[in-house]
Amino acid sequence: DVKVTQSSRYLVKRTGEKVFLECVQDMDHENMFWYRQDPGLGLRLIYFSYDVKMKEKGDIPEGYSVSREKKERFSLILESASTNQTSMYLCASGRGTRISDTQYFGPGTRLTVL
Amino acid sequence: AQSVAQPEDQVNVAEGNPLTVKCTYSVSGNPYLFWYVQYPNRGLQFLLKYITGDNLVKGSYGFEAEFNKSQTSFHLKKPSALVSDSALYFCAVRDRGSTLGRLYFGRGTQLTVWP
Repeated sequence: DVKVTQSSRYLVKRTGEKVFLECVQDMDHENMFWYRQDPGLGLRLIYFSYDVKMKEKGDIPEGYSVSREKKERFSLILESASTNQTSMYLCASGRGTRISDTQYFGPGTRLTVL
Repeated sequence: AQSVAQPEDQVNVAEGNPLTVKCTYSVSGNPYLFWYVQYPNRGLQFLLKYITGDNLVKGSYGFEAEFNKSQTSFHLKKPSALVSDSALYFCAVRDRGSTLGRLYFGRGTQLTVWP
């Protein structure tokens, strides 16, 4: 079974703090993704990566950065957290070799910024 | 541009009745289509996908979906709903021309099955 893990299920941070969300997958997938999920807005893509050290902006990259130093790990960084970044963050991974392949999701991190 | 529409925010159905969760899509080429389910405070779980071939796709937990190219739809169905099917359902699409594997998701449909 594919396993995608995220470092925290729940996180509470203060405005202005630097926040790291970690995601690890164990299936040697090339592609990894970070989404945020908000009620009524569905999933919105923040960033994705198709190889180590490679990244592409998604639809809402402002206020976020990412890091992919190893194939299995994809980090989302909030440089200076703000209250409007309170949300559910979902990581996903998938193979890059066949475009029909499924994305697999982690359990999510619910981040609250006070 | 690629997009997915789920026209119903909520679907309510009685246990034992058939259910349908609707999805329409827009892509520039031929699509790959996916359904995911999310239970409370959990990540998304893959249910089924349409790649090619038979327009009726069978997936996990007794769900199936029908691909209709002329109507650009991919509705999720189940013949007999269970209370445990209550969850948030997402439809997603990927253009076959896409080289980077990203999916475009709908806004989700909350399914409630009452006893």
